[in-house]
Amino acid sequence: GQNIDQPTEMTATEGAIVQINCTYQTSGFNGLFWYQQHAGEAPTFLSYNVLDGLEEKGRFSSFLSRSKGYSYLLLKELQMKDSASYLCADTGGFKTIFGAGTRLFVKA
Amino acid sequence: GAVVSQHPSRVICKSGTSVKIECRSLDFQATTMFWYRQFPKKSLMLMATSNEGSKATYEQGVEKDKFLINHASLTLSTLTVTSAHPEDSSFYICSARDAGDGYTFGSGTRLTVV
Repeated sequence: GQNIDQPTEMTATEGAIVQINCTYQTSGFNGLFWYQQHAGEAPTFLSYNVLDGLEEKGRFSSFLSRSKGYSYLLLKELQMKDSASYLCADTGGFKTIFGAGTRLFVKA
Repeated sequence: GAVVSQHPSRVICKSGTSVKIECRSLDFQATTMFWYRQFPKKSLMLMATSNEGSKATYEQGVEKDKFLINHASLTLSTLTVTSAHPEDSSFYICSARDAGDGYTFGSGTRLTVV
C-alpha cells in the first residue's frame, strides 16, 4: 500500500525560506514528485527525485532519502505568488498517489 | 513541452444526465492516462488508470458503471459520468506520463450537478 504524510498548512514570510516535509511508505517505490497547485487549477510539476540527494531548480529544491522514506521541498526567496498547495506524490506499482497537500501561505 | 488538453473546463448539468470529459495528449502518445477527482481543499484522489485498447483499472470504491472510461486511441481518453447526481460535483483532472520525468496534467474540469 501507499501512505503519504505532509503537514496540512504552513505560513512563511515573503523573502524567507520554507521547507515542506513529506514522508511516505510505499511498496515498489519508483520516484517522488512535488507539484504546486493554485486553487481551482491543475497541479504543475516542480520536481522528481528517484535517487537520494538534493535536486536544485532555481528557487526550488527537493531532497530525497529512500532509506528513511523522506523528502522535502525547499522554497527560497519566497514570493507572494508561492502561496499555493504543494503536493507530494510517490509512484509505486506504476500509480502516482498524492499526499493531502500542504497549503502554504506567504505573508508580507 | 508535453501538453494534455482537457475539456470542457466547466460544465453544469442536471441531475440524472451524463457528462463526458475528454483528455487529449497533443504532442505525444499516452498509452496510459490517469483520472483524478479532487474535492475542495482536498488532494487528488486517483479514480482509475486508463489503458489504450483495454479496460480501465479502477481504484477501490470507484463505481466503474458510473464513471465510464474509454481510451480508444493513444492520444484520447474520455471519462463519462453517468446519471450524475449533486454528490458527483467535483474537479476532475486527467494526467499522462510524458516523455520526460513528470506527469502532465490536463487543465481540469469543474463539474457542477444541479
